[in-house]
Amino acid sequence: GEDVEQSLFLSVREGDSSVINCTYTDSSSTYLYWYKQEPGAGLQLLTYIFSNMDMKQDQRLTVLLNKKDKHLSLRIADTQTGDSAIYFCAESKDAGNNRKLIWGLGTSLAVNP
Amino acid sequence: DVKVTQSSRYLVKRTGEKVFLECVQDMDHENMFWYRQDPGLGLRLIYFSYDVKMKEKGDIPEGYSVSREKKERFSLILESASTNQTSMYLCASTELKNSGNTIYFGEGSWLTVV
Repeated sequence: GEDVEQSLFLSVREGDSSVINCTYTDSSSTYLYWYKQEPGAGLQLLTYIFSNMDMKQDQRLTVLLNKKDKHLSLRIADTQTGDSAIYFCAESKDAGNNRKLIWGLGTSLAVNP
Repeated sequence: DVKVTQSSRYLVKRTGEKVFLECVQDMDHENMFWYRQDPGLGLRLIYFSYDVKMKEKGDIPEGYSVSREKKERFSLILESASTNQTSMYLCASTELKNSGNTIYFGEGSWLTVV
């Protein structure tokens, strides 16, 4: 099947690290994405990783990809209250003349002061 | 700064009304998408378009139609709105087939059907 799974909720204290996990099913996926959605807003791309990489770091964000286990994680260092949002994992694969995105349901991150 | 603009942020419509949701992008993207987002169901693809006048059904096209007369504009149409179409609607765009494309989203349109 085509499922991307994420836990629905995560709560952390301000200053701690957050780790949001995602599993996907299709080993032929080319790109994996993390999007952030703040309350009442659209989604914005946080970062993405190509399937032949196993790690990508961008300031406070670290993405780890375990292709063998089809597991993707997003680590946010020094989590701030402004990081409170829903985080979506998505996998992208070619579908003929186009690209198909499979979305997780989103992980709601609550950051407590 | 790249932009996907959804013309209406909040709408309240009556059951049976015809509803137009408009989306414009300024990035000359070929692909445009309409999603709806509901609590516990995540993002579900309604329709997408990969070129002017081209459209393809997504996962939940029933009750919706779309129009793409110009490259920059993709409209979602509810011919006869029903209460189960109360939702947040998100428009998105991306280049056709390029490595690592970012998908750009609009801010969303909250539709309430009463």
